[in-house]
Amino acid sequence: GAGVSQSPRYKVTKRGQDVALRCDPISGHVSLYWYRQALGQGPEFLTYFNYEAQQDKSGLPNDRFSAERPEGSISTLTIQRTEQRDSAMYRCASSLVLPGPSGNTGELFFGEGSRLTVL
Amino acid sequence: AQSVTQLDSHVSVSEGTPVLLRCNYSSSYSPSLFWYVQHPNKGLQLLLKYTSAATLVKGINGFEAEFKKSETSFHLTKPSAHMSDAAEYFCVVSNHTGGGNKLTFGTGTQLKVEL
Repeated sequence: GAGVSQSPRYKVTKRGQDVALRCDPISGHVSLYWYRQALGQGPEFLTYFNYEAQQDKSGLPNDRFSAERPEGSISTLTIQRTEQRDSAMYRCASSLVLPGPSGNTGELFFGEGSRLTVL
Repeated sequence: AQSVTQLDSHVSVSEGTPVLLRCNYSSSYSPSLFWYVQHPNKGLQLLLKYTSAATLVKGINGFEAEFKKSETSFHLTKPSAHMSDAAEYFCVVSNHTGGGNKLTFGTGTQLKVEL
């Protein structure tokens, strides 16, 4: 597609329900990142993938959060037993190239985000 | 750990006047620094990036930023504000430890442009 596509754009759920957020990166992009942005804050790193391999999940808040990218393209972020504190904008980004050890920073292209509200 | 501090949560300017959005960074080694812009209901868009080349970096829409190591600053400027510049701006530092482009965002500066 033309850009990073995220769905659903808006999700309202009740506490205790599971939610799945989808990210469809730009075609051919190697790296995929998930960020979470609380109201009035900047985005915070959750996890990222190179191809289908999850390279770093140090930003996932707890074991209710998981992510996968089984075929190295579309990714799903799953939150189990949602809590009110999970309410936030969840942003996905993709990058064409792998970041290099010397600091080659492939530009990250962000989607419009999925706004999650847990009642 | 790397971090950025955006000194102003809100900045208001008149159309046609200069814009200055301040950012200070903390890094244990030479950082890569970025400015991203977020318009309402839009995704984050890269304005410009610094990756140890020229210290004065030019970006899109007339924005530029200067990396000053002695001041640990990376302030964003524009000579003349336009109404369409009204948005939220994020200063960002990249952590390359262990590979990956793990970005650390500041808390954002909301820019308001008045007639």
